[in-house]
This record gives sequence, C-alpha cells and structure tokens, in this order.
Amino acid sequence: KAGVTQTPRYLIKTRGQQVTLSCSPISGHRSVSWYQQTPGQGLQFLFEYFSETQRNKGNFPGRFSGRQFSNSRSEMNVSTLELGDSALYLCASSPHPSGVDTQYFGPGTRLTVL
Amino acid sequence: ELKVEQNPLFLSMQEGKNYTIYCNYSTTSDRLYWYRQDPGKSLESLFVLLSNGAVKQEGRLMASLDTKARLSTLHITAAVHDLSATYFCAVFQGGGSNYKLTFGKGTLLTVNP
Repeated sequence: KAGVTQTPRYLIKTRGQQVTLSCSPISGHRSVSWYQQTPGQGLQFLFEYFSETQRNKGNFPGRFSGRQFSNSRSEMNVSTLELGDSALYLCASSPHPSGVDTQYFGPGTRLTVL
Repeated sequence: ELKVEQNPLFLSMQEGKNYTIYCNYSTTSDRLYWYRQDPGKSLESLFVLLSNGAVKQEGRLMASLDTKARLSTLHITAAVHDLSATYFCAVFQGGGSNYKLTFGKGTLLTVNP
C-alpha cells in the first residue's frame, strides 16, 4: 500500500501571501489530521477531517483552514502568512476518526516564510 | 489546561543499557500515544495505549499507561544505535468531535556504541 503523501515537500513564501498544502491519505483511510511542528512550540494539532467534515480543530487562528474531498484527500490553507508560520506541517491518516487507530504520517511539508 | 511533561528531554545512553522515558500529564485521560521521529523525518506511531494498565511491546520498546498516576513510561531494553531518535508522547483528552491532543516536548535519545 502506498503511504501518506504530501505536496509540496518544501515551500518558500513571503509574509502576507497564502499557501495551500496537500495531503493524500493511505487508500481506504477516511480520517486526515494536520499538525504543525516548530522548534519553539513543538508539535501542535491543527485539525482533523473525516468524511469531508471537520471533526475537531486545535487552537489556531482562522487564517488556518482546511478541507477534505470525497476521495479523502485533504488540503490545508494558510492565508496572510506570518513569519511564525514557518514550520513543518505534517498530515496523518487513519481508517477511523479520533485517534483510536494508529495514525500514519506523511513526510511533511516544510514551509519557510520570509 | 492539559500539560504534558516528558523527562528527560535529552538522554544519552550506551548500547546494551536499559532506560525509561517518563510522560506525566496534568488532567484525566485514558488514551495516550507514543511516536518516534528521526532527524529531518516525519513521525512514526509506536504505541496507542487505550486504558489504564495497558502495556504494549515492540522489539526493545515497551510502553505502559497508569491513568491513576497520570503517567506513561517508555522503557528501552538493551538499547541499540538504531533506537537513536526523538520520542514524543501525546495525550488525548475529551471525546467524539470535541477533543484535544497535546504533545510532550519530546525526548532526544542518543545511543552510543
């Protein structure tokens, strides 16, 4: 089975721009969660999507949004980028929602905001 | 607010030795996860602990959960160099669509020959 894929792997943007990251889960997995990892704040949960619905959201401003498509692929959008948004963004998929199953992580997208 | 504390944050050990990483959390939870991250790489799920007293083992790693003490441990037996990585615990709080997942800061483990 192919693993979780994320595109792009690296991205450089400037302040004020917006960015869209993509995540394709493992085939058959319907839950996709997104995480932000920074040296200062560590790993933080952004949101989870299951069957095209956002099930839960972490403590992030409204500039961070996402969606999930009928094929379970998910996108995350960050608008009006700030320097502090520079981070590794990870997505993870699992068959069911809310973390009962093992999550499988993608390689991440490293976003640099200049 | 849920706080998750891992210790130690840095651990340097010799091959063949045993050691334990601790994950303490501040409020009630009966679900905890352990992950491994290699430098520059993504996270790998190691264990999902779903109830008090849960114990899971995979190779040289064994994780346990004591919900009454709000403590999980990750025990390393006879460490080998390949175990060098950063280990995170994450605590699940809530249920249904109203939950939080809070990560510890991670323990950087270096196993020296």
